[in-house]
Amino acid sequence: GESVGLHLPTLSVQEGDNSIINCAYSNSASDYFIWYKQESGKGPQFIIDIRSNMDKRQGQRVTVLLNKTVKHLSLQIAATQPGDSAVYFCAENGLGGGSYIPTFGRGTSLIVHP
Amino acid sequence: NAGVTQTPKFQVLKTGQSMTLQCAQDMNHNSMYWYRQDPGMGLRLIYYSASEGTTDKGEVPDGYNVSRLKKQNFLLGLESAAPSQTSVYFCASSYGWGQNTEAFFGQGTRLTVV
Repeated sequence: GESVGLHLPTLSVQEGDNSIINCAYSNSASDYFIWYKQESGKGPQFIIDIRSNMDKRQGQRVTVLLNKTVKHLSLQIAATQPGDSAVYFCAENGLGGGSYIPTFGRGTSLIVHP
Repeated sequence: NAGVTQTPKFQVLKTGQSMTLQCAQDMNHNSMYWYRQDPGMGLRLIYYSASEGTTDKGEVPDGYNVSRLKKQNFLLGLESAAPSQTSVYFCASSYGWGQNTEAFFGQGTRLTVV
């Protein structure tokens, strides 16, 4: 079936470095992707989204890149801080029953060392 | 503005017992979702509701039932709890379609079935 997955389960970086988290998707019909951050003991929180008609979108310290040719997403975090330590999920918004339905990958654990 | 509120936060059940997980949102969102999250895995969709009065199965619906009698509430029921249902359960809501479709999550319910 269709799936959204991540290449690396754990990423360790030093404070101040840039982080790159990758995600592969398999549904070529997907037109909307979202990155979520989940801190320990909490629910996922929205970080940034991108539609399929875009290649790049920037937020505050974060950039999402979309490569539709190889069905690949990445989340770049600039000047990573200890507060960025969390699990990051990419989600694919598929349509079902008149609603977008987020489908999540396994997640990548980002560990930031001071 | 409370967002998405789940009750209870923690619950221990004996095998065969039943219970209902409650979810309420105050953002006037059309769509609501129930996910479960197991260690090392992403979020898997149990059921979703695109609008008040409608519900649809997700990826892992067996052993669960849901009801959406009011727009702001989405209930998840376990009729006869099994140890395999030990998990963290997240409720989420979104507008469901249109420009802003990111999901907002509750804090989760940690359920243990013994």
